[in-house]
Amino acid sequence: DVKVTQSSRYLVKRTGEKVFLECVQDMDHENMFWYRQDPGLGLRLIYFSYDVKMKEKGDIPEGYSVSREKKERFSLILESASTNQTSMYLCASSLSGAYYQPQHFGDGTRLSIL
Amino acid sequence: GQNIDQPTEMTATEGAIVQINCTYQTSGFNGLFWYQQHAGEAPTFLSYNVLDGLEEKGRFSSFLSRSKGYSYLLLKELQMKDSASYLCAVIDSNYQLIWGAGTKLIIKP
Repeated sequence: DVKVTQSSRYLVKRTGEKVFLECVQDMDHENMFWYRQDPGLGLRLIYFSYDVKMKEKGDIPEGYSVSREKKERFSLILESASTNQTSMYLCASSLSGAYYQPQHFGDGTRLSIL
Repeated sequence: GQNIDQPTEMTATEGAIVQINCTYQTSGFNGLFWYQQHAGEAPTFLSYNVLDGLEEKGRFSSFLSRSKGYSYLLLKELQMKDSASYLCAVIDSNYQLIWGAGTKLIIKP
């Protein structure tokens, strides 16, 4: 069965801290994505990656960076956390080569910045 | 701009039928997804439509009209476990996914 695992379900950090969110998938998918989900808004794409060491900005990349050193792992980094980055963060993966392939999501990390 | 509209919340009764609508205005169209998301859990794939018409999958069906920029998800024989948010997402001309805010469905006994 398809599995996307996010390292933490809940995380509390302080303003100014550097925060790492980790995501691992076991499906050998080429594509990986980071979203944030806020009440009343659709999923917003932060960054995505089509291959190892490749990254592309999404709709809201400011204040974030990513790392993809291995195919199965995609990390989201908050360089200097701010309170407006309090949100639910979702990682997803999908097969490449066909845009109609659905994305498979992790359970999310609920991040609070104090 | 690109926009996807869904009702914020709907309530239905166990055993009944409910239709969740999604209208979209996007730059191009390459298909539409429906996902289900239970509270605190991952969104899970329900359906993909790219051609007009109705696609049935058990108790769930999804309909698409490209000329009207409209889709709906139909849930029959509602069960309490169907209480969840339902997310509509459209693939635009650049093959990017545009997400709606989701519809929270509450099922009452």
